[in-house]
Amino acid sequence: EIEMTQSPATLSVSPGERATLSCGASQNVSDKLAWYQQRPGRAPRLLLYGASTRAKGIPARFSGSGSGTEFTLTISSLQSEDFAVHYCQQYNNWPYTFGQGTKVEIK
Amino acid sequence: EVQLVESGGGVVQPGGSLRLSCAASGFTFRNYWMSWARQAPGKGLEWVALIKQDGSQKYYVDSVKGRFAISRDNAKNSLSLQMDSLRVDDTAVYYCVRGPGDWGQGTLVTVSS
Repeated sequence: EIEMTQSPATLSVSPGERATLSCGASQNVSDKLAWYQQRPGRAPRLLLYGASTRAKGIPARFSGSGSGTEFTLTISSLQSEDFAVHYCQQYNNWPYTFGQGTKVEIK
Repeated sequence: EVQLVESGGGVVQPGGSLRLSCAASGFTFRNYWMSWARQAPGKGLEWVALIKQDGSQKYYVDSVKGRFAISRDNAKNSLSLQMDSLRVDDTAVYYCVRGPGDWGQGTLVTVSS
């Protein structure tokens, strides 16, 4: 099973600032990496797939990079609705696995 | 618009069974891999089971192998998860998922005596 590790666990950022979230895989997952956002009491929402392709309707302030074992999600200018938990997930090998999440909170 | 509506959750005793259903609409259901994922209260996400478009391939996370069975009815645009021998640690919100992208709102399963 591929282990996904996210850092930091919590990120304190002011509105309008940039946030950079990291995700590492214990094995090569190529570009089969997705990022999700989850607000309290809601289902996860897909932000990016293929490591860097924005899902339908996702604003351009979300961008992703990386391949293999190291990945990054960048939110260029945080809006109030972005304060949530963000998960990475690999879908290169079964079982698909998630990181433990990074909580982006208001500074 | 893609819609995935789960049903069938509830409270069950350890060792009991439940069957979850997912009604899909807004897309050609038979063209997509479909999955069930779950999230225990206050915890992270876990991908539970995956089924190919025609149902010929099914995959399960180790913790549910031999207890859960995923199935689909392409004529009815529906996905199911039969859950047997339920354990307390199966307590979670269960989500129906299309590909990696679209998630239903979830149905809560509580396993408790």
